[in-house]
Amino acid sequence: DVKVTQSSRYLVKRTGEKVFLECVQDMDHENMFWYRQDPGLGLRLIYFSYDVKMKEKGDIPEGYSVSREKKERFSLILESASTNQTSMYLCASSPGGFGIQYFGAGTRLSVL
Amino acid sequence: GESVGLHLPTLSVQEGDNSIINCAYSNSASDYFIWYKQESGKGPQFIIDIRSNMDKRQGQRVTVLLNKTVKHLSLQIAATQPGDSAVYFCAENIIGTASKLTFGTGTRLQVTL
Repeated sequence: DVKVTQSSRYLVKRTGEKVFLECVQDMDHENMFWYRQDPGLGLRLIYFSYDVKMKEKGDIPEGYSVSREKKERFSLILESASTNQTSMYLCASSPGGFGIQYFGAGTRLSVL
Repeated sequence: GESVGLHLPTLSVQEGDNSIINCAYSNSASDYFIWYKQESGKGPQFIIDIRSNMDKRQGQRVTVLLNKTVKHLSLQIAATQPGDSAVYFCAENIIGTASKLTFGTGTRLQVTL
């Protein structure tokens, strides 16, 4: 089975802090994605990556950056956390081309 | 931009009945569709997918129907069980966007005993 692991289930951070969300997949997938999920808004794509050291902006990249130094790991970085970044963050991976995205359990981030 | 939407935000069905969850999509260039299930506190879980060259696909207790003429997708769950209670999302892949998916906002399915 595909496994996508997010390092934290819950995080509480203060405004202005630098926040790292980590995601690891064990299926040698080329593609990895970061989404945020808010009530009534569904899943919105923040960033995605097709390959190591490659990244593409999604629909809402402002205030975020990403890093993919190894194929299995994709990190989301909040350079200076703000309260409007309080949300559920979901990581996903998929094989090359297009296809099923497999999701992690999510990280619920609260910025106070 | 174009997006995937759902007709009903909440659907309540009795245990044992069949459930039908609907999804309207607006992009005629979409060629691949996926249904996900998300239980409380968990990430979305793949249920079933369908390509645009098909109009029906069946899985275990689930069937997805695709009507490209009216840009409509539905998920049918047979003999709904309490464990089916969750939020269901449809997602579409638009030709030319590689592996990106566009998600609907979700429908909550509540199974009553």
